[in-house]
Amino acid sequence: AQSVTQPDIHITVSEGASLELRCNYSYGATPYLFWYVQSPGQGLQLLLKYFSGDTLVQGIKGFEAEFKRSQSSFNLRKPSVHWSDAAEYFCAVGFRTRVTGNQFYFGTGTSLTVIP
Amino acid sequence: GAVVSQHPSWVICKSGTSVKIECRSLDFQATTMFWYRQFPKQSLMLMATSNEGSKATYEQGVEKDKFLINHASLTLSTLTVTSAHPEDSSFYICSGDRGQGETQYFGPGTRLLVL
Repeated sequence: AQSVTQPDIHITVSEGASLELRCNYSYGATPYLFWYVQSPGQGLQLLLKYFSGDTLVQGIKGFEAEFKRSQSSFNLRKPSVHWSDAAEYFCAVGFRTRVTGNQFYFGTGTSLTVIP
Repeated sequence: GAVVSQHPSWVICKSGTSVKIECRSLDFQATTMFWYRQFPKQSLMLMATSNEGSKATYEQGVEKDKFLINHASLTLSTLTVTSAHPEDSSFYICSGDRGQGETQYFGPGTRLLVL
């Protein structure tokens, strides 16, 4: 069965420090990969996505993610965290099958706290 | 581009009443729309997937008679929570995509509180 794992439930970093959020997926082929961010009480905003091509993708707000096929991972990184980055981060995978159509799975999320 | 709106943003209702939530794709045609439910501090749980003009496909455990989904056009889907009870209180989020397993664009969510 397809699944998305975010091993870190909660991460705390100091402002200005680097950040890496982990995401692993389980799927037979390479799915479409996404990172979303959710501020409290808000909907989800797309940070970046990977469909194919260059395995290092750049997103908004200074985020980037690297797809590593051998590790089935799609980790999110930011070199210098800002206080406004405190939020919930969700990794997601999407794919399409002839039988079931579009499928989309979310990880359980990683809550990021930024301390001054 | 790819903006999704939801209305209302929050609603309080009495137990036993029905509540309708609208989801609109403002600048694109959403081939498929999705409805999610999110409990505090948890991930999104997919409730149902709907394609324009056809019946929604509900996830296991989601009561289709309680959560009525209508996808009347490529820009509008509605979720009606019928005979709402306090346990239906939650954050409901919709999304739309353009097909082909592409990116989902999310609405801002609707917070429902059933008293």
